[in-house]
Amino acid sequence: KAGVTQTPRYLIKTRGQQVTLSCSPISGHRSVSWYQQTPGQGLQFLFEYFSETQRNKGNFPGRFSGRQFSNSRSEMNVSTLELGDSALYLCASSLTLAKNIQYFGAGTRLSVL
Amino acid sequence: DAKTTQPPSMDCAEGRAANLPCNHSTISGNEYVYWYRQIHSQGPQYIIHGLKNNETNEMASLIITEDRKSSTLILPHATLRDTAVYYCIVRVANGAGNNRKLIWGLGTSLAVNP
Repeated sequence: KAGVTQTPRYLIKTRGQQVTLSCSPISGHRSVSWYQQTPGQGLQFLFEYFSETQRNKGNFPGRFSGRQFSNSRSEMNVSTLELGDSALYLCASSLTLAKNIQYFGAGTRLSVL
Repeated sequence: DAKTTQPPSMDCAEGRAANLPCNHSTISGNEYVYWYRQIHSQGPQYIIHGLKNNETNEMASLIITEDRKSSTLILPHATLRDTAVYYCIVRVANGAGNNRKLIWGLGTSLAVNP
């Protein structure tokens, strides 16, 4: 069974641009969560989707958004990029909302110049 | 929301047991303790979880104190490949239904030395 796939693995953008990251969960998993990881802050929860609906949201500005498609694949978008958005963005999938064992992808490393 | 406290770093000799502590003194009765680890440049990997009983699987053992305010992850025979950052997190039941948010700390950086 294939694991969680995140694309692209690396991305370089400049301030003010916008970016879209993609996540394909494990087959059969319907819940997808997104996290931002920076050296000083650790993993910060962004949001969680289940059945194409956002079910939970962390404390990030509205520039961070996401969506989930009918096949459970998910995308997150960051608009008007800032230098501080440079981070590793991790996607995790789980069977359902009630199943708290999450399986993570390798992440997308975003650098904002 | 219950938070966890872990030592920032630990060392362990290869072949010896690695005992990683975690403090979660504000844990609620229905909250579970989860452990994950993250090897450099990879996403976190689930290890084990528990509510109040000790748990064991092929990767590790989890010992939870009777008052549930702390726990210890035990890697019985650490290898060099166990060098990673280990996260202890507590499941938070947040809002209606099954909504929940996992609170992650900075973890413990475990170095297994030859």
